[in-house]
Amino acid sequence: AQSVTQLGSHVSVSEGALVLLRCNYSSSVPPYLFWYVQYPNQGLQLLLKYTSAATLVKGINGFEAEFKKSETSFHLTKPSAHMSDAAEYFCAVRGTASKLTFGTGTRLQVTL
Amino acid sequence: KAGVTQTPRYLIKTRGQQVTLSCSPISGHRSVSWYQQTPGQGLQFLFEYFSETQRNKGNFPGRFSGRQFSNSRSEMNVSTLELGDSALYLCASSSPWDSSYNEQFFGPGTRLTVL
Repeated sequence: AQSVTQLGSHVSVSEGALVLLRCNYSSSVPPYLFWYVQYPNQGLQLLLKYTSAATLVKGINGFEAEFKKSETSFHLTKPSAHMSDAAEYFCAVRGTASKLTFGTGTRLQVTL
Repeated sequence: KAGVTQTPRYLIKTRGQQVTLSCSPISGHRSVSWYQQTPGQGLQFLFEYFSETQRNKGNFPGRFSGRQFSNSRSEMNVSTLELGDSALYLCASSSPWDSSYNEQFFGPGTRLTVL
């Protein structure tokens, strides 16, 4: 079965600092991986996705993620955090048909 | 293009009652998936419908059911509500005809509170 593990349920960074949110996957086949963001009282918005076309994936709002097969990782980064980035972030892997299996989420806090 | 819509946005029910939630996918999308989000269990897959057929099912009791209509709109039903059913229920749609077939578009969710 495919799964993802997010390390760190809470991450706090200063505005302008590097954002690094960690995600490791477990999959017996080449995975389709996603990062979603959820703002309070809202649904999920896709930040970026990996579908084997390129290992470095650029997404919206300045986020990017690098697929590293040797480390089974798909960490999310952003060079400079903004206050508006404060939200909960979910890593997910696609399984059978459209089923997504999500990680437990990482809440990002951005401080002045 | 209009996004995924879910109705109602908020719902309060009491234990033992049943509830029906509705989801309208993005126009042209034929796959609709449902997820339950709770603080304790996180995001969990309920089921997926494609062309009016349930294609995939998560590990939930039979009290949770769903259906899809010919216009791709979907409903999910929860019978004999329990306190633990309080959650945000999210609907997502995707299109197999889109090159981004792997992308699911989520609605804003229905917040169900069971008292």
